[in-house]
Order: sequence, then C-alpha cells, then structure tokens
Amino acid sequence: GENVEQHPSTLSVQEGDSAVIKCTYSDSASNYFPWYKQELGKRPQLIIDIRSNVGEKKDQRIAVTLNKTAKHFSLHITETQPEDSAVYFCAARKDNAGNMLTFGGGTRLMVKP
Amino acid sequence: DTEVTQTPKHLVMGMTNKKSLKCEQHMGHRAMYWYKQKAKKPPELMFVYSYEKLSINESVPSRFSPECPNSSLLNLHLHALQPEDSALYLCASSQGPLVGETQYFGPGTRLLVL
Repeated sequence: GENVEQHPSTLSVQEGDSAVIKCTYSDSASNYFPWYKQELGKRPQLIIDIRSNVGEKKDQRIAVTLNKTAKHFSLHITETQPEDSAVYFCAARKDNAGNMLTFGGGTRLMVKP
Repeated sequence: DTEVTQTPKHLVMGMTNKKSLKCEQHMGHRAMYWYKQKAKKPPELMFVYSYEKLSINESVPSRFSPECPNSSLLNLHLHALQPEDSALYLCASSQGPLVGETQYFGPGTRLLVL
C-alpha cells in the first residue's frame, strides 16, 4: 500500500515570510496529490491539488511542486498571513481501487504577526 | 447546496449504547466516505460507498456498521464501542469514485465513548 511521510511536523514563520512543507510517497503508481488545510475544530478543506502529468501548479499565494522521479511533492505558501495558521495535510492516491487517499502526518503551521 | 453536513456535532455514549451518525450531501455526488480522525493525527479512511454500494472497508471492526440508504445520505451505526473509538468522525463525498476527484469533507461528529 501507499505510505506518505510529511515534514516538518511543526513550522513557525513570521508574517510575510514563506513556508514550505514537504511530502514523500512510496507508491510510484500514485498520480493524484491533494493538500488540505484544517483549522482548529474545523473540517479539512482542499486548498490545491496536482496530478502526476503536471510538475507545478499555482493558485495566488499557494503553489505545489511535484517530482515524480524522487517521489516527493511540496506545498509553498508565500507572503504568509496569520489566517494561514492551521494544520496542513498532504495526501496521495493509494492504489487502483478507487479514489482512496493516504494522508501524511500533518504539519502545524504557525504564522506569527 | 455545496456542502456536506453531519449530525450530531457532538455525541457522548456508553459502551453498551447504540447510536448512529448521519451524513448528507445534495451535490449529486455518487461516492461517499467515512474517516476517523484522532487528535493531532490525519484522517484515516474507514469505508467508501460508490453508487450506494460499499466498495471499500478498511478492516474496520464490526461494531461500526455503515449504511447508504440513498445517494444523498450516509449513516454510520455504532454499537458496543470502546473508549479508544473516541475521535472525530468525518464524512466526505466526491462526484464519483474515480481517482483525483476532489473529496469534500463535512464538519465531523466528535464522539466520546465512556
């Protein structure tokens, strides 16, 4: 099955700085990689996703890069704001049995004003 | 309606109780999911329903019993739970069961088993 490792587990940045979260996956057949943001006491919300036929995707201050050869993908947040503070989960599609996601362990991002 | 809703928001039950969690979506999605999330951990997949049929059961104990009465509704029946089953139970849905279709999560039911 798929295994997803996520680093770091906690990340503290100053407002306006950039934040980078990295994930590695084990199953070379994985081809879909979403990122979810979960604020305290709230539901996970999709913020960006990338498919294996694309190397990079950007949406305003958020970008995701994918290196299929090395089997890792990263989330980049620029010009961080206090409201970016949350737990971020990466995920990978697990196998060929449908839309099954395997999540990384999560990164708690704290943006200090 | 572009949301997944879940009831109740909170639930406290004893180990001999029977209770049910409810999940509803009106987005026309044909795949629905149950996840369990412990504190400071990622969601763990429990069940997947595809076109109202159970397609995936991730070796979940039989004290958890899912049900999909129609394409909009997903239930999780609970019986004889253990304290370690206390967690946030998240429901999600996607347009279909295909790879890469965005999963939309409900707000969850926070369950405490005494």
